[in-house]
Amino acid sequence: DAKTTQPTSMDCAEGRAANLPCNHSTISGNEYVYWYRQIHSQGPQYIIHGLKNNETNEMASLIITEDRKSSTLILPHATLRDTAVYYCIVRGHNAGNMLTFGGGTRLMVKP
Amino acid sequence: GAVVSQHPSRVICKSGTSVKIECRSLDFQATTMFWYRQFPKQSLMLMATSNEGSKATYEQGVEKDKFLINHASLTLSTLTVTSAHPEDSSFYICSAGPGLANNEQFFGPGTRLTVL
Repeated sequence: DAKTTQPTSMDCAEGRAANLPCNHSTISGNEYVYWYRQIHSQGPQYIIHGLKNNETNEMASLIITEDRKSSTLILPHATLRDTAVYYCIVRGHNAGNMLTFGGGTRLMVKP
Repeated sequence: GAVVSQHPSRVICKSGTSVKIECRSLDFQATTMFWYRQFPKQSLMLMATSNEGSKATYEQGVEKDKFLINHASLTLSTLTVTSAHPEDSSFYICSAGPGLANNEQFFGPGTRLTVL
């Protein structure tokens, strides 16, 4: 899987939008961008994924640049329960392809 | 989303004993399951890929004779840590796929293993 680069940590005020960047400059044409998060002492939770178009679901929005070398996960109205480590992962769109976790971004939502 | 369960959620055992961890997909069939290990303040590290009806594929550095994986059905994979030692203490997490529509992996809640 292509390597991703994320900031180690970020803070966000409760109620404000949290924008988490991810660089994946070596992504190949058939690889998707996936986002997961892990709340302390729990298993990772799927958030969203995309190929080249922007995506939105009930949890977040994913903005992928036109050259696909970077993306941003947006939590529109962060709450304290969104405090977690957020992982940006690129992988082929096949269930047999494992997920390779990098260091992720530790998001701290503050009151 | 789909649900993956793990049992037990936490286990404490003496050094030298074996511990079995179960991973179940509750509402879908999983042809592939993955086992991860996570040490404190570190990211998840893939240990092995478990395929229903065939032998597991282990990542480099993971001892297959120590971490026995059995994927006997489309809803159950087990990881047995044999002759556990304190350095095996970790958070063990499984994931199951394929997902319902988007091929995302669904993760279990994890099992905290503490070896005394």
